[in-house]
Amino acid sequence: DAGVTQSPTHLIKTRGQQVTLRCSPKSGHDTVSWYQQALGQGPQFIFQYYEEEERQRGNFPDRFSGHQFPNYSSELNVNALLLGDSALYLCASKGGALGATEAFFGQGTRLTVV
Amino acid sequence: GQSLEQPSEVTAVEGAIVQINCTYQTSGFYGLSWYQQHDGGAPTFLSYNALDGLEETGRFSSFLSRSDSYGYLLLQELQMKDSASYFCAVSSSARQLTFGSGTQLTVLP
Repeated sequence: DAGVTQSPTHLIKTRGQQVTLRCSPKSGHDTVSWYQQALGQGPQFIFQYYEEEERQRGNFPDRFSGHQFPNYSSELNVNALLLGDSALYLCASKGGALGATEAFFGQGTRLTVV
Repeated sequence: GQSLEQPSEVTAVEGAIVQINCTYQTSGFYGLSWYQQHDGGAPTFLSYNALDGLEETGRFSSFLSRSDSYGYLLLQELQMKDSASYFCAVSSSARQLTFGSGTQLTVLP
């Protein structure tokens, strides 16, 4: 049973560019959340998708957007990249919508903006 | 908003017991979770407390006091492989996890 998979694992982008990160949730999970983790910090909640809609959003600007597909996989898009967007981007999935308490995380995408 | 406080670093020797405390302030509270993250790895779930009291899972236990907005993770019989970062996280809604800044645990031989 594959867990949460993310691609790519590493990415280097130039300031001002746009990036798309991808996530496949754990089998049987229908809820996907995205987090940004700066070096030495805890993950910061970006948003959560369920039934192909953004259900809750953290304190991130509109440059951060996402999408969930019918197969529950998800994308995170970041426009107009800033140097400060350099971080590890984590995807987490849960099953059972509101009832699940355990989130399963992927290995993350390490984004470097230069 | 939400905020969590936990010690930045803890050091202990193999076989010892260590407690990592977490205090939180949140406008909504569903439960307190603990995650472990090794360098370069994904956070992995350790425990979840929704109600006051102690939850035990093998060598790890987690405690919650909702009235004190306080919880802790207790690690017993420490092993070298327990060296990692440990995060407490508050479920401030059914959908959002807010993480602390993490505690770097170093286990010495």
